[in-house]
Amino acid sequence: AQSVAQPEDQVNVAEGNPLTVKCTYSVSGNPYLFWYVQYPNRGLQFLLKYITGDNLVKGSYGFEAEFNKSQTSFHLKKPSALVSDSALYFCAVRPLAGTGGYQKVTFGTGTKLQVIP
Amino acid sequence: EAQVTQNPRYLITVTGKKLTVTCSQNMNHEYMSWYRQDPGLGLRQIYYSMNVEVTDKGDVPEGYKVSRKEKRNFPLILESPSPNQTSLYFCASGGQGNTGELFFGEGSRLTVL
Repeated sequence: AQSVAQPEDQVNVAEGNPLTVKCTYSVSGNPYLFWYVQYPNRGLQFLLKYITGDNLVKGSYGFEAEFNKSQTSFHLKKPSALVSDSALYFCAVRPLAGTGGYQKVTFGTGTKLQVIP
Repeated sequence: EAQVTQNPRYLITVTGKKLTVTCSQNMNHEYMSWYRQDPGLGLRQIYYSMNVEVTDKGDVPEGYKVSRKEKRNFPLILESPSPNQTSLYFCASGGQGNTGELFFGEGSRLTVL
């Protein structure tokens, strides 16, 4: 069975410092990987995805993520954190197309990012 | 504007009183799904639909029903709500291509007393 682990319930970072939110996954075959962000009282919003190709993926709001196949990780990063980045972040995985579609998406438990002014 | 709309956003009800949470999307997406979000558990899939008249159980379907009579609508029905169904519910949709992201509604916070 596929799974996603976000080992940190909360990450605190000072404004202007780089941030990393960790995600590891387990899935049969090659994965599709996603990051979503949830602001208070809002739905999840798509940030970025890895399908194939370059291991470094760039997304919205200056976020990027690095796919590491050997470590089965897909950590979310940003060079300089903003207070407005404070939110709940979810990593998600699904298997390669043909072996499962949207219904096979598995979400992590979420990491709360707190950026301190 | 492309969006997924859920109603109601907030609801307090009592045990056993049937309720329906509506979900509508305007993106002509084939796929729609319902999730519940609980602290420490992340998002868990309740039901999903690959297209009109095609629905299937997710990971936590007990106590819920769905229907997909039209492409744009995917209501979630709680026939006899119980307190353990107190949660934050999200509807999501996805388009063709099978590699894209999901689009989420704003959420419906349900409290069952």
